[in-house]
Amino acid sequence: GDSVTQMEGPVTLSEEAFLTINCTYTATGYPSLFWYVQYPGEGLQLLLKATKADDKGSNKGFEATYRKETTSFHLEKGSVQVSDSAVYFCALASRGYSTLTFGKGTMLLVSP
Amino acid sequence: EAGVAQSPRYKIIEKRQSVAFWCNPISGHATLYWYQQILGQGPKLLIQFQNNGVVDDSQLPKDRFSAERLKGVDSTLKIQPAKLEDSAVYLCASSPSVGRNEQFFGPGTRLTVL
Repeated sequence: GDSVTQMEGPVTLSEEAFLTINCTYTATGYPSLFWYVQYPGEGLQLLLKATKADDKGSNKGFEATYRKETTSFHLEKGSVQVSDSAVYFCALASRGYSTLTFGKGTMLLVSP
Repeated sequence: EAGVAQSPRYKIIEKRQSVAFWCNPISGHATLYWYQQILGQGPKLLIQFQNNGVVDDSQLPKDRFSAERLKGVDSTLKIQPAKLEDSAVYLCASSPSVGRNEQFFGPGTRLTVL
């Protein structure tokens, strides 16, 4: 079945540091890939998405590129802020379906 | 545009008691999802509705969990009787239709079973 593997957290960074959160997936066919963010006490929000190989999703300074050859969708940001502290979830939806399969989430803690 | 509403936000019950959660999706959204998020894990789909019909309930523990979406709008998820392992955050999400559309999540209900 479909699965998503994320790097374990917490990831602890200083403000303005470079961020990478690794995500790899297993799925049949060509899924759509997503990053969701969950701020403390809030629901999940879609951060970015990519629907086909080599697509790059981007939003709020975050980027992720759909790499079919390595089945990866790593999240990156060039300069993190304290306000980016949250839990980040990588997810996929198999083609033709809307059901999301989530990774376990990676907590990001950014200190001033 | 109002987001997905859920209530209550928090609930503490004893094991073997029953509990119900309510969700009101974004107006006009045909598809509604219930997820269970156990601490330290990603959300897991429990049930998916398209209007008032069930699309997928393969991971719903039907011996104790039930859900309905009368009139194709708001929905309730019930657990009866609750077990300790049901302690989790229950998330409701909605999307305009079945497909690879963005899912909009509510704030969740945190359930603690003692």
